[in-house]
Amino acid sequence: SQTIHQWPATLVQPVGSPLSLECTVEGTSNPNLYWYRQAAGRGLQLLFYSVGIGQISSEVPQNLSASRPQDRQFILSSKKLLLSDSGFYLCAWSVGDRGAETQYFGPGTRLLVL
Amino acid sequence: GNSVTQMEGPVTLSEEAFLTINCTYTATGYPSLFWYVQYPGEGLQLLLKATKADDKGSNKGFEATYRKETTSFHLEKGSVQVSDSAVYFCALSDHNAGNMLTFGGGTRLMVKP
Repeated sequence: SQTIHQWPATLVQPVGSPLSLECTVEGTSNPNLYWYRQAAGRGLQLLFYSVGIGQISSEVPQNLSASRPQDRQFILSSKKLLLSDSGFYLCAWSVGDRGAETQYFGPGTRLLVL
Repeated sequence: GNSVTQMEGPVTLSEEAFLTINCTYTATGYPSLFWYVQYPGEGLQLLLKATKADDKGSNKGFEATYRKETTSFHLEKGSVQVSDSAVYFCALSDHNAGNMLTFGGGTRLMVKP
């Protein structure tokens, strides 16, 4: 069966520090991968998605970046965190028929920037 | 573009009450529709989905029917439990938009014993 892992689970970082969040998927090949951010009490915002190794699409311009060095690994990074980067970061994967694609989410990383 | 609108919460109910969470959508194509649930401190889990008009998705006592004429996908449950307390997200996936999920803002449900 497929599983998705995210780490760390919780992170407290000072403003201006770098960030690296990791997501890995097991039990499937060539998944589509996604990074979302959920600000406190709000909905989900798609940040990046990837349909293959080295292929990254950005949905929202900001100081975050994403990379996919391996088929089932997706990394979210920042060189300098801002206060507004605080939130709950969710990774998701999908495979499936076009028009009926279901996304499966990881447990999330809670980031607090102080 | 595509959008999803949900009723704002929180929705507070007593145990065994009937639940309806409204969801309407706007889409340029023929989307698939989803309900996801987020329990406290966790990621999102797929609750149910429907891929074409008049389809009914169901799971764990929850149901939603894809209504193309009213562009709606309202979530219902006949008798809620305390364990149903969570945030519920309605979403659509449009293959004309690369299968990206568009989420509603979420509705928090609180069930009191």
